[in-house]
Amino acid sequence: ETGVTQSPTHLIKTRGQQVTLRCSSQSGHNTVSWYQQALGQGPQFIFQYYREEENGRGNFPPRFSGLQFPNYSSELNVNALELDDSALYLCASSFGTTRINSPLHFGNGTRLTVT
Amino acid sequence: AQKVTQAQTEISVVEKEDVTLDCVYKTRDTTYYLFWYKQPPSGELVFLIRRNSFDEQNEISGRYSWNFQKSTSSFNFTITASQVVDSAVYFCALSEVLAGGTSYGKLTFGQGTILTVHP
Repeated sequence: ETGVTQSPTHLIKTRGQQVTLRCSSQSGHNTVSWYQQALGQGPQFIFQYYREEENGRGNFPPRFSGLQFPNYSSELNVNALELDDSALYLCASSFGTTRINSPLHFGNGTRLTVT
Repeated sequence: AQKVTQAQTEISVVEKEDVTLDCVYKTRDTTYYLFWYKQPPSGELVFLIRRNSFDEQNEISGRYSWNFQKSTSSFNFTITASQVVDSAVYFCALSEVLAGGTSYGKLTFGQGTILTVHP
């Protein structure tokens, strides 16, 4: 069973730039969620994708956007990067239907540094 | 709004001691799920347990045990005979059922408790 994989593992960007983070979900999972974890904090929910559509969003501005592909992999895009976007970005996958959902399984994350 | 409070920021114990990590939550939902995750230095969040709001039975898994008390909105985690490998950040989390009907979509995490187990 292949787990959740994220790429790249580390990334350094300059303020104002754009970044794309990628996530391959665990085999058999159809739902992907993205979280931002600032240093010393708990993860914060960004959004979730289910059946290729956004299924819920946290308190993040529109410059945070995402996609889910037919193979259930996902991308997180952040435009106009700000210094406060520096964080560990975690992707989690799960199997979901309208009635049941398996626990979230997380990847190792992408460490984004904005200078 | 949902909230999870882990009042213990850091805990330091000596190997073989028992340690309890506290978690208090707040929600208006009648159906919800509670979770514990472990985050070692590698960064990955490792799933430990989930609990349905209707199931208040305590659970034991090896050296780990969980005490869910709905009356006090608490979901505490105890490690018995701690080991150095237990050193990590532990997060308690609460789920919210999203409009699409899939639960667990949005987890609200506590701030985490840093556990250090010394040899």
